[in-house]
Amino acid sequence: DGGITQSPKYLFRKEGQNVTLSCEQNLNHDAMYWYRQDPGQGLRLIYYSQIVNDFQKGDIAEGYSVSREKKESFPLTVTSAQKNPTAFYLCASINGPNMYGANVLTFGAGSRLTVL
Amino acid sequence: QKEVEQNSGPLSVPEGAIASLNCTYSDRGSQSFFWYRQYSGKSPELIMSIYSNGDKEDGRFTAQLNKASQYVSLLIRDSQPSDSATYLCAVKGGGSNYKLTFGKGTLLTVNP
Repeated sequence: DGGITQSPKYLFRKEGQNVTLSCEQNLNHDAMYWYRQDPGQGLRLIYYSQIVNDFQKGDIAEGYSVSREKKESFPLTVTSAQKNPTAFYLCASINGPNMYGANVLTFGAGSRLTVL
Repeated sequence: QKEVEQNSGPLSVPEGAIASLNCTYSDRGSQSFFWYRQYSGKSPELIMSIYSNGDKEDGRFTAQLNKASQYVSLLIRDSQPSDSATYLCAVKGGGSNYKLTFGKGTLLTVNP
């Protein structure tokens, strides 16, 4: 089945540690995104990538880093510089160069990070 | 900063009633508009998309778009308890920009 796989589903981290969240898609989608969601809040864009080896900062990129070495993979590293990392992290992807029309943003199941 | 605002919830309706969810956006060049449903602890799932002014119906769901007023809404007819979820409005800006901006969501509860 095609889809987006995020791992781990739950992750606990001590303050000062970096952690990497995995996102893999087998949908052959060009663009991939990372969003963060806090309780009672909408989704805020961290980083996105439209093509391999290229990515752009979203609205809340500070304290995060990403890479896009392969079309299928877009891992997110939450660094110790991120002051409030406890959140629900969602990876998403979309096909094509333009979202107008039938293109749809598809989400993975999410990774819940808790900093102890 | 492009903004998407949704009517504050929570919204509670009785089973069988019409639920009305509203969203306004600040970017006048926005082209595409989406409604996502998110159950507690789960990821969002797309339920409606709309690109042109007017109404778009899909089963019990109707999306309405008014670009002049920068307003998009979602109506859920014959609401069911299974419709209880948070509804997120998402807007894509103009051009080849891939970014979706989401509202904070409206929590809907349908009471049996």
